[in-house]
Amino acid sequence: QVQLVESGGGVVQPGGSLRLSCAGSGFTFRRHAFHWFRQAPGKGLEWVAVISDDGNSKYYADSLQGRITVSRDNSENTVHLQLNNLRREDAAKYFCARAYTVFGVASDYWGQGTLVTVSS
Amino acid sequence: EIVLTQSPGSLSLSPGEGATLSCRASQSLPTRYLAWYQQKPGQAPRLLIDGVSRRATDIPDRFSGSGSGTDFTLNIDRLEPEDSAVYFCHQYGSSPTFGQGTKLEI
Repeated sequence: QVQLVESGGGVVQPGGSLRLSCAGSGFTFRRHAFHWFRQAPGKGLEWVAVISDDGNSKYYADSLQGRITVSRDNSENTVHLQLNNLRREDAAKYFCARAYTVFGVASDYWGQGTLVTVSS
Repeated sequence: EIVLTQSPGSLSLSPGEGATLSCRASQSLPTRYLAWYQQKPGQAPRLLIDGVSRRATDIPDRFSGSGSGTDFTLNIDRLEPEDSAVYFCHQYGSSPTFGQGTKLEI
């Protein structure tokens, strides 16, 4: 069955960095684009970034542009999200989700998320 | 950015009743890139509907979506206790956004 498992979350000080990972299994990983979304405690969902199936196209939310980088390794069935210069407002659960294209197709499977806490 | 506004914010209904959840977009969605998700506490969102009205895999026909332009609706018939959740609408165009959610309590 399709599985997406995020990891890499934790507690980081303001200004710090984290690298989140998302490992996929149960499907042909290289045929899918992957989104990152986030959800602050008790809040709604926010789109963060997307990477195409071949990794050549990447798009970022304007609010995070310049502080994040998305990448993937199709040989390892893994997608990564590098978060830099973290701010308190970046604290959230970060989810990865697969889609068939970068835009225009809804994400059909999501991971359970990994929690990022920004605190001094 | 397309802003999605959902109403009502919360809804409390009894088993067997029907629910109507609304999602209004700040501008028209001509490409029908509108989906609905169900999220239970501590869980990942589950895709219910995409393309405005197409049920996702294994979603029962009690769930149906409709709408066009700026106004979209998720209907849930014959409510069951396990339908208690937060429901989000989501437009998945080139700058994806979500509604703030409707909390449904059965």
